[in-house]
Amino acid sequence: GAVVSQHPSWVICKSGTSVKIECRSLDFQATTMFWYRQFPKQSLMLMATSNEGSKATYEQGVEKDKFLINHASLTLSTLTVTSAHPEDSSFYICSARDMGATDTQYFGPGTRLTVL
Amino acid sequence: EDQVTQSPEALRLQEGESSSLNCSYTVSGLRGLFWYRQDPGKGPEFLFTLYSAGEEKEKERLKATLTKKESFLHITAPKPEDSATYLCAVQFGGSQGNLIFGKGTKLSVKP
Repeated sequence: GAVVSQHPSWVICKSGTSVKIECRSLDFQATTMFWYRQFPKQSLMLMATSNEGSKATYEQGVEKDKFLINHASLTLSTLTVTSAHPEDSSFYICSARDMGATDTQYFGPGTRLTVL
Repeated sequence: EDQVTQSPEALRLQEGESSSLNCSYTVSGLRGLFWYRQDPGKGPEFLFTLYSAGEEKEKERLKATLTKKESFLHITAPKPEDSATYLCAVQFGGSQGNLIFGKGTKLSVKP
């Protein structure tokens, strides 16, 4: 149980284009999902907290107009990187919060974004 | 400021050589401490959650313990397949469930 999927697993795009990443909780409902980015040899940095049916909460320094988050259902959150630039290249990981007895975040496998 | 510090940054062990990883934290109102394993190019895999001082959890060769200031991940007789980065994260009171991550310990187990 407690499986989170992400799609796509990797994407290469041209500078200026937009990229959408999907995060799904497969066997539980998640009112809260989180989006992280991870640079090589560094730990996870929280970008935003996504709550089903409401606006996402962004961490300081993260541009909400650049990283659009939609959490339309209890099992799906999407992150859209708009007008991507090479500096947006990174490993993006989502997690879904299972608010059952353990209140644990389960992570997706990540999406490698490369912007040319 | 809430902080999570992991040590050592990297650890090299011979197969069968037991050791411990440390995670120290300064968080107000700890709600839970989490251990994850991350393999290169993959998302973190959940291992344990600890909620209160004195609590212990075990899974195969791994055992996690918690005190009021730190947590240890003990690895008994490790195997090469235990090689990975181990991440510690804390969840504190008043948050939306946000986790504060340490920088991780990269474990390498040589046969």
